[in-house]
Amino acid sequence: EAGVVQSPRYKIIEKKQPVAFWCNPISGHNTLYWYLQNLGQGPELLIRYENEEAVDDSQLPKDRFSAERLKGVDSTLKIQPAELGDSAVYLCASSLDRHTDTQYFGPGTRLTVL
Amino acid sequence: DAKTTQPTSMDCAEGRAANLPCNHSTISGNEYVYWYRQIHSQGPQYIIHGLKNNETNEMASLIITEDRKSSTLILPHATLRDTAVYYCIVPQGGSEKLVFGKGTKLTVNP
Repeated sequence: EAGVVQSPRYKIIEKKQPVAFWCNPISGHNTLYWYLQNLGQGPELLIRYENEEAVDDSQLPKDRFSAERLKGVDSTLKIQPAELGDSAVYLCASSLDRHTDTQYFGPGTRLTVL
Repeated sequence: DAKTTQPTSMDCAEGRAANLPCNHSTISGNEYVYWYRQIHSQGPQYIIHGLKNNETNEMASLIITEDRKSSTLILPHATLRDTAVYYCIVPQGGSEKLVFGKGTKLTVNP
């Protein structure tokens, strides 16, 4: 069974440019998460989807970050415009549903903003 | 904030048991303890979770004290591939609310 797929794995952009990350969760997983991980820190939740509905986006900086999960399957996280401080790893995870104990993580996208 | 306290780093010899401690003194009666690990340049990986009884799976064993204020993750025969950051997590509000701290950096030495 394929795991959580993320692309690209690495992205280098200049500040003020837009950037987008894509995530395809494990087939049949209804819950999808986006996390941000700064160097030396643990992942921090940005947003959680139950199917196509964003049910927890309290930590998403809405002035520049947006996310969507059309059709309740794959998801896109966007930053526009990117700032130097956005350099980090962006992780996507999925679980069967919100009551399931295990979250499965993708490999992440490492973003460098110059 | 994370509700757990872990040592910053630990070392273990290859083939020996690795015992990773975690304090969660404010844990509530119905809250589980979860362990994830993150190998360099990979996403976190679920290891095991438990409520009050000791748990064992193919990856590790989890020992939870009777008062539930602390637990220990045991890797019975550590290998070099077990070198990773290990996170002890007490979810806030349900298993979907994982709050990662800084974890313990375990280095398995040959």
